[in-house]
Amino acid sequence: GAGVSQSPRYKVAKRGQDVALRCDPISGHVSLFWYQQALGQGPEFLTYFQNEAQLDKSGLPSDRFFAERPEGSVSTLKIQRTQQEDSAVYLCASSPGGQGQSGYTFGSGTRLTVV
Amino acid sequence: AQSVAQPEDQVNVAEGNPLTVKCTYSVSGNPYLFWYVQYPNRGLQFLLKYITGDNLVKGSYGFEAEFNKSQTSFHLKKPSALVSDSALYFCAVRVKAGTALIFGKGTTLSVSS
Repeated sequence: GAGVSQSPRYKVAKRGQDVALRCDPISGHVSLFWYQQALGQGPEFLTYFQNEAQLDKSGLPSDRFFAERPEGSVSTLKIQRTQQEDSAVYLCASSPGGQGQSGYTFGSGTRLTVV
Repeated sequence: AQSVAQPEDQVNVAEGNPLTVKCTYSVSGNPYLFWYVQYPNRGLQFLLKYITGDNLVKGSYGFEAEFNKSQTSFHLKKPSALVSDSALYFCAVRVKAGTALIFGKGTTLSVSS
């Protein structure tokens, strides 16, 4: 596609529910990143894929967070047993190469609200 | 630890005046530096980047930034601000190939008519 597409745009979850957030990167982009942006803060890194390989998951805040990119294109970020502190905008970004010298293209994000 | 600082939460300028949004960084090695802009309910839009070469980088919408290695700064500038430039601006750094961007907290730019 022309840009990075994320769905849903908004998600309201009851505390304890599981959620799945989807990211469709630009076709052919090798690198894919997930970020969490809390209100009034800058995006914080969660995890990074190069093709289907998850090369860095050091930013995932707990074992309730899980991400996958099984075919090296679409990625899903799953949050189990959601907590109120998980409320944030989740941003996905992709980049053409593995070295990241190009600018990263970001999606519009999924705003997750846990009630 | 690697970090990016944007010392101003908000910058206010009048339309037509020059603007500067400040960014300093603390990383080891040679960083790649980026500026992004975020409009309400939108994703981050790439403005410009510094990889190597000329310290003055020109980007989208008339913005430019100057890399200053001795001061570890990468301030965003524009000679003449527009009301439509009002948005949230993020400075970011990448410390090595294959790693993620580290973002500052952001600076809200408000341009008054």
